[in-house]
Amino acid sequence: SQTIHQWPATLVQPVGSPLSLECTVEGTSNPNLYWYRQAAGRGLQLLFYSVGIGQISSEVPQNLSASRPQDRQFILSSKKLLLSDSGFYLCAWGQRNTEAFFGQGTRLTVV
Amino acid sequence: QQQVKQSPQSLIVQKGGISIINCAYENTAFDYFPWYQQFPGKGPALLIAIRPDVSEKKEGRFTISFNKSAKQFSLHIMDSQPGDSATYFCAAIVTSGTYKYIFGTGTRLKVLA
Repeated sequence: SQTIHQWPATLVQPVGSPLSLECTVEGTSNPNLYWYRQAAGRGLQLLFYSVGIGQISSEVPQNLSASRPQDRQFILSSKKLLLSDSGFYLCAWGQRNTEAFFGQGTRLTVV
Repeated sequence: QQQVKQSPQSLIVQKGGISIINCAYENTAFDYFPWYQQFPGKGPALLIAIRPDVSEKKEGRFTISFNKSAKQFSLHIMDSQPGDSATYFCAAIVTSGTYKYIFGTGTRLKVLA
């Protein structure tokens, strides 16, 4: 069966520090991969999606970037965090364009 | 046209009652409609999904009703329980298209004991 791993679960980072969140998927190949951000009590904002290694589509201009160095690995990064980058970050995978499956999320607090 | 409009924003239901959440869309190219349940601090979990060639799909206490002509679909939770208290999201996708899931804004459901 397929599983998705996302870490860390919580993170507190100072303003101006770098960020790296990692997501890996097991049990499938060539998945579509997604990064979402969710503000407290709000909906899901699509940040990036990828349909293959090295293929990244950005949805929202911002202080973040994404990379897909391997088929089942998706990384969200920032060189310098802003206070506004705080939020709940969710990785998801999908295949054959049916439902998406989400990781457990990373709660990022920028202080 | 890419939006999925979800209502209500919040919902309070008595235990044993029926919870109803509605979603509407404009893009007739959408052809897959999943619903997600999210508990605080957790990622959304797939609840149930439907394709537009089906008018209703039921899984346990959860039922999706789909009205293709009206471009609307809804989630019904029968015999609502306090454990159903969560945020629910509808979504839509064009399965042959851009690989992007379009999510509704969410409904926060509280079921009173």
